[in-house]
Amino acid sequence: DAGVTQSPTHLIKTRGQQVTLRCSPISGHKSVSWYQQVLGQGPQFIFQYYEKEERGRGNFPDRFSARQFPNYSSELNVNALLLGDSALYLCASSVRTGYEQYFGPGTRLTVT
Amino acid sequence: AQTVTQSQPEMSVQEAETVTLSCTYDTSESDYYLFWYKQPPSRQMILVIRQEAYKQQNATENRFSVNFQKAAKSFSLKISDSQLGDAAMYFCAYRSEISGGGADGLTFGKGTHLIIQP
Repeated sequence: DAGVTQSPTHLIKTRGQQVTLRCSPISGHKSVSWYQQVLGQGPQFIFQYYEKEERGRGNFPDRFSARQFPNYSSELNVNALLLGDSALYLCASSVRTGYEQYFGPGTRLTVT
Repeated sequence: AQTVTQSQPEMSVQEAETVTLSCTYDTSESDYYLFWYKQPPSRQMILVIRQEAYKQQNATENRFSVNFQKAAKSFSLKISDSQLGDAAMYFCAYRSEISGGGADGLTFGKGTHLIIQP
């Protein structure tokens, strides 16, 4: 069975630009969570979606937004990029909230 | 808010030896879950072991076991018979027991870099 997939693998953007990251959950999983992992730190929770509704949000500015589609895939959007947004963005899926989260390989975003 | 602290930025162990990684956490909740995740250089976060706070028995998964001390809010990971493939970043994580359809985002520590000496 395919695991969680994320695209693209790597991305380089300029300050002020906008970026969209994509995540496809494991088949049968209806919940997707997004995490930001800055170099040398543990991941930080950004968003969680379940059944296409936002169920939770971490302490991130409104420049970060996300959505979940009818097929349960998800997109994370970041507007007005800052140098500090450079990080590994991880997506995790679970059958539903309250169940084990399985992580994808991440998207490495570099903002110059 | 919950916090997770890993006080060992780096640990080194000889192959086939045993190593223990430390983790403490702070919470006012009584029901929660604790996890250890492994992140090799490939970046994929892999679940190693989980512990439900309501269970007194320590979790075990093959060579991996935990020492869960609820009163002390301590959750250490013991790796027995260390293997070269165990080299990775190890993260301790906390998750609340959710209700009412709330979110269950994980709170992670900063990680411990485990080096395996051949």
